[in-house]
Amino acid sequence: AQKITQTQPGMFVQEKEAVTLDCTYDTSDPSYGLFWYKQPSSGEMIFLIYQGSYDQQNATEGRYSLNFQKARKSANLVISASQLGDSAMYFCAMSRTSGGYNKLIFGAGTRLAVHP
Amino acid sequence: DAMVIQNPRYQVTQFGKPVTLSCSQTLNHNVMYWYQQKSSQAPKLLFHYYDKDFNNEADTPDNFQSRRPNTSFCFLDIRSPGLGDAAMYLCATSRGHPTEAFFGQGTRLTVV
Repeated sequence: AQKITQTQPGMFVQEKEAVTLDCTYDTSDPSYGLFWYKQPSSGEMIFLIYQGSYDQQNATEGRYSLNFQKARKSANLVISASQLGDSAMYFCAMSRTSGGYNKLIFGAGTRLAVHP
Repeated sequence: DAMVIQNPRYQVTQFGKPVTLSCSQTLNHNVMYWYQQKSSQAPKLLFHYYDKDFNNEADTPDNFQSRRPNTSFCFLDIRSPGLGDAAMYLCATSRGHPTEAFFGQGTRLTVV
């Protein structure tokens, strides 16, 4: 069965510092995708970054980068130069194949607090 | 402009009174998902549509139903809401093999 694990319930970081949020996954599918979402207190899920299992290079989107280590089955999110507005819940998610369709399943999330 | 729109943003319903939540999209994505998210928990997939094909998660209660009359709209029906159904309900869309999935702003359901 596919599974996403986020072992850090909460993280603190100083403004302008970098922070790494951990995500490990388990799947037997050769083809899968890994996602990170940000959920502020208002509740909407904001897409941050995507990594495909066959992508050779780590994905980057502005201040966000995904440290993809396929052999270790990890897909950690790195946020550089943290800002106060980065304080939110962060979810790692994986797309999996079921009956030919891809479904998105989520980890438990990590709450990030950015301190001035 | 919002691409996935959920209405209403906040819904209060009485215990046992049927309620419908709606989701619309302008992305023409063929997959639409409904998630339930309780406080401080991960979103839990209830079901999804691939075009008109309905896919129910094994542990989704029978109390929850869904309709997708066309590509743009999808509805979540809760036939007899219980106190335990109070949650944020999130609608999302993607292509069949997603490289990203877009979420609406969610509907926060309160059961009184």
